[in-house]
Amino acid sequence: NAGVTQTPKFRVLKTGQSMTLLCAQDMNHEYMYWYRQDPGMGLRLIHYSVGEGTTAKGEVPDGYNVSRLKKQNFLLGLESAAPSQTSVYFCASSRTPGQGVNQPQHFGDGTRLSIL
Amino acid sequence: DQQVKQNSPSLSVQEGRISILNCDYTNSMFDYFLWYKKYPAEGPTFLISISSIKDKNEDGRFTVFLNKSAKHLSLHIVPSQPGDSAVYFCAASVTGYALNFGKGTSLLVTP
Repeated sequence: NAGVTQTPKFRVLKTGQSMTLLCAQDMNHEYMYWYRQDPGMGLRLIHYSVGEGTTAKGEVPDGYNVSRLKKQNFLLGLESAAPSQTSVYFCASSRTPGQGVNQPQHFGDGTRLSIL
Repeated sequence: DQQVKQNSPSLSVQEGRISILNCDYTNSMFDYFLWYKKYPAEGPTFLISISSIKDKNEDGRFTVFLNKSAKHLSLHIVPSQPGDSAVYFCAASVTGYALNFGKGTSLLVTP
């Protein structure tokens, strides 16, 4: 019963390097999200997707790109990593909110990213 | 601008007693409210939710109360257990849109 799986769990990068974080869900959810959590802060939305092939910006999108080529996968890319992007990154997925019906988001265990 | 606020960073409660976690919000358009529980090195786990058409929702030991006029919600845990020790996040959204999270309250339940 995997749910939402994030890869990798930990990573250390040097400033200017690039990398991609992978999120995979096996619940057939339409919606997927990427958040970051910084010390003493709540989760802040980076980008989200309401279906395969679609993406949209969240609250803090700068410095990140995303792709949703397959329904079950949502990739988060850092093109040129900066120390300010040191954070814990969480992926989540949910069913499509229906008329008057809300759907909770289900989260992965996070990727801890340090940028030196 | 923080639209969801949890003003108590931490709370300590004795085992068996009631834990009350509070949350305030500023956006009157929010119509869906959730509580998540988070253990260290794990992702947030959905706990309980409430729609704005209700003022109370119960699930076992957990009850969420919503006061729309005060833009306030609370989570009651009765009775509290040591395994409830975690960080609790309040979140709110307009249906179909992204969740807005508070900064969390760290609950410690002592034996």
